[in-house]
Amino acid sequence: AQSVTQLDSQVPVFEEAPVELRCNYSSSVSVYLFWYVQYPNQGLQLLLKYLSGSTLVESINGFEAEFNKSQTSFHLRKPSVHISDTAEYFCAVIPVGATNKLIFGTGTLLAVQP
Amino acid sequence: EADIYQTPRYLVIGTGKKITLECSQTMGHDKMYWYQQDPGMELHLIHYSYGVNSTEKGDLSSESTVSRIRTEHFPLTLESARPSHTSQYLCASSSRDGTSPLHFGNGTRLTVT
Repeated sequence: AQSVTQLDSQVPVFEEAPVELRCNYSSSVSVYLFWYVQYPNQGLQLLLKYLSGSTLVESINGFEAEFNKSQTSFHLRKPSVHISDTAEYFCAVIPVGATNKLIFGTGTLLAVQP
Repeated sequence: EADIYQTPRYLVIGTGKKITLECSQTMGHDKMYWYQQDPGMELHLIHYSYGVNSTEKGDLSSESTVSRIRTEHFPLTLESARPSHTSQYLCASSSRDGTSPLHFGNGTRLTVT
């Protein structure tokens, strides 16, 4: 069975400061990894994903995440956040070869303050 | 721009009423899902479908039922709503490829009084 742990339920940060949202997973098989973002009163949107290849993946809005197999982590980072980045961020995994059952973490609320 | 639509966005209803939450997608996706989302909790999969006339229960037990008569439509029904059903319900779809991302609707926030 797989599980995803997001230890930080809320991360307050000032505008233009760097941020890291932590994600660790547990799995006995290889997994694909995802970060989804949920803005207030909206559904989730895919932010970035790791399937294979380079362990550093980037999104179009400046976020990046690095897959670390030895530490079973997929932390999300941004060097300088904006007010508009305020949202809930969900880490998720799916076993390689599985066709359903994306497994989500409990989410981290990124609260960017001016 | 949303390609997956959920109605209603908000619903307040009394105990014992029958309700149907609508979900439609215009992307031709074979797979559709219903998730239940509560504050501070992970999203729980309650139903999924791989295609027309295919429905399965998810990891979280739910008293709701679903149907998939058309590819684009995946409604969720509660025969008798209870306060314990109060939650946000998110519908999603994806293509056949297991690595393809889920496309989510904006959700229905259900309150049962």
